[in-house]
Amino acid sequence: EAGVTQSPTHLIKTRGQQATLRCSPISGHTSVYWYQQALGLGLQFLLWYDEGEERNRGNFPPRFSGRQFPNYSSELNVNALELEDSALYLCASSWDRGADTQYFGPGTRLTVL
Amino acid sequence: QKEVEQDPGPLSVPEGAIVSLNCTYSNSAFQYFMWYRQYSRKGPELLMYTYSSGNKEDGRFTAQVDKSSKYISLFIRDSQPSDSATYLCAMRRMELGSNYQLIWGAGTKLIIKP
Repeated sequence: EAGVTQSPTHLIKTRGQQATLRCSPISGHTSVYWYQQALGLGLQFLLWYDEGEERNRGNFPPRFSGRQFPNYSSELNVNALELEDSALYLCASSWDRGADTQYFGPGTRLTVL
Repeated sequence: QKEVEQDPGPLSVPEGAIVSLNCTYSNSAFQYFMWYRQYSRKGPELLMYTYSSGNKEDGRFTAQVDKSSKYISLFIRDSQPSDSATYLCAMRRMELGSNYQLIWGAGTKLIIKP
């Protein structure tokens, strides 16, 4: 069974640009979660999508947005990039809505210069 | 103050030692507690899952929850070099629904020396 996949592996952008990160969940999983992992801060919850709808978002500004497609894959968009957006962005998926057993992808390392 | 506090380490111990990893939290409403393990360049994976207070054992791993002290622990017996990873605690309140989200510790980097 293929795991959660994320692309790209690395992304380098300059301040003010937009970044698009992609995630494909495990087959059959309907919930997708996005997290930001900055050095020393642990995982910060960004967004949760289930069945194509945004179910919850963390304490991040509106320039962090995303969507979930009919095939349950997901996209995270970060507009007007700031230096402090540099982090590892992790995507996770689960079978059920709001499940504690989340399966993570390897992440996308975003560097903002 | 963060809702969940976890010492980032690194914690370096010799192979075969008993390892104790800990998290403290401030929100008494947390009921579900998890430990995830994250190897370098990988995403986290669920290691242990407990509900409310008490102990749970799985092989060399024991998870302990003390709700009165708002303190959770993960013990690793007979530690191996392959246990070298970052260990993250996560927790949440009882209710599911649209407010569901996990609250995470910063992670403790563990190094097991051969």
